[in-house]
Amino acid sequence: QSALTQPPSASGSPGQSVTISCTGTSSDVGGYNYVSWYQQHPGKAPKLIIYEVDERPSGVPDRFSGSKSGNTASLTVSGLQAEDEADYYCGSYAGSNNLGLFGGGTKLTVL
Amino acid sequence: EVQLVQSGAEVKKPGESLRISCKGSGYTFTDYWVGWVRQMPGGGLEWMGIIYPRDSDTTYSPSFQGHVTFSADKSINTAYLHWNSLKASDTAMFYCARPIMFRGIIVNIDFWGQGTLVTVSS
Repeated sequence: QSALTQPPSASGSPGQSVTISCTGTSSDVGGYNYVSWYQQHPGKAPKLIIYEVDERPSGVPDRFSGSKSGNTASLTVSGLQAEDEADYYCGSYAGSNNLGLFGGGTKLTVL
Repeated sequence: EVQLVQSGAEVKKPGESLRISCKGSGYTFTDYWVGWVRQMPGGGLEWMGIIYPRDSDTTYSPSFQGHVTFSADKSINTAYLHWNSLKASDTAMFYCARPIMFRGIIVNIDFWGQGTLVTVSS
């Protein structure tokens, strides 16, 4: 199965909002509410920031929000801050592939 | 506090064997699966597979089946990733992770190890 599709890059100025998309199919993103998002700073391990489409783990700022429409999930970062500059990966359950899929990653730059 | 602590970076030659480790703490190790995720240089995340430390039940990604082996020693809360014969293309960062399962499927990963960099070069 192919990885989920994310734009390679996104950018915004401090204080602005940015939305990153994650497109799959009806067999993964569109078929289940098990989409998650991970933030990875350079040289660091990924960190869970959104699970089950729109749920935030304890400690994750509410500037991060998730949503889904059809086969596309989205991560929105509101009120951009310098520390939000990182790579972001989506993940989804993928039906018969019980290991799930990741997106290719999006590099978010804060201008 | 949940922690997954991995062994240090390795430099190996093609054809050599290698085992890296991942020690869990702050939770009941045998109640959760342990997953392995590869990140090649400049690349994205790829599932390698998962192991259940309680009974060593494993699921491998087809892309890695036959090339790596997972094991676990529940007496010391440690999971392992093993190669019998490394290739240059195995050069990557490897993360262990704690996948959250629901009815036998992975719904997300709530904790990650710090990663182990493996470099394979002649």
